[in-house]
Amino acid sequence: DTAVSQTPKYLVTQMGNDKSIKCEQNLGHDTMYWYKQDSKKFLKIMFSYNNKELIINETVPNRFSPKSPDKAHLNLHINSLELGDSAVYFCASSPYSGGTEINTIYFGEGSWLTVV
Amino acid sequence: QQPVQSPQAVILREGEDAVINCSSSKALYSVHWYRQKHGEAPVFLMILLKGGEQKGHDKISASFNEKKQQSSLYLTASQLSYSGTYFCGTFKGSGNTGKLIFGQGTTLQVKP
Repeated sequence: DTAVSQTPKYLVTQMGNDKSIKCEQNLGHDTMYWYKQDSKKFLKIMFSYNNKELIINETVPNRFSPKSPDKAHLNLHINSLELGDSAVYFCASSPYSGGTEINTIYFGEGSWLTVV
Repeated sequence: QQPVQSPQAVILREGEDAVINCSSSKALYSVHWYRQKHGEAPVFLMILLKGGEQKGHDKISASFNEKKQQSSLYLTASQLSYSGTYFCGTFKGSGNTGKLIFGQGTTLQVKP
């Protein structure tokens, strides 16, 4: 059983399109994240949600809109895609629930987004 | 602030040892280590929570010197399966607004 699963794994789309990436975790974790990994492998946090509530919103263009229908799901919708959005997007979760320290983060397999 | 890793890349022969360093300009309260194989997701290796703490995982171990604001990952008698990119992460912020910030990664290639 996949702990953190995201779909699609590969996505090729044209500039200006709107696309969504879905993520689900079956670990019972309270917190979910979206990370972006660029071509230089730099792994940067975009958003975090704790029990469906948005906690962290990094300096991300508002074309990116996360949605968490319940604590097991966190989807990412991207409007008006640009060439610079091409990257690998990782969904992740952790049992972290608002304490003073973060726990282990479990990453999904990644979604390779290519904007042409 | 992003932790800084060194070296950026390492090439080894099987059986050789390597050290990857992670340092921060600000106080470190914990260090997390992850490994990402090519085309895969980052996978957790270990967390060090206390200064002076050392941990091991097979032949991979790490130390944490909070006074020096750094951690080191030691790979002993490297195997082909150790190849990948290693990331250290440090916790920034507090409470539920805290976040794990990763270093830029160190790419390790183990050759036969």
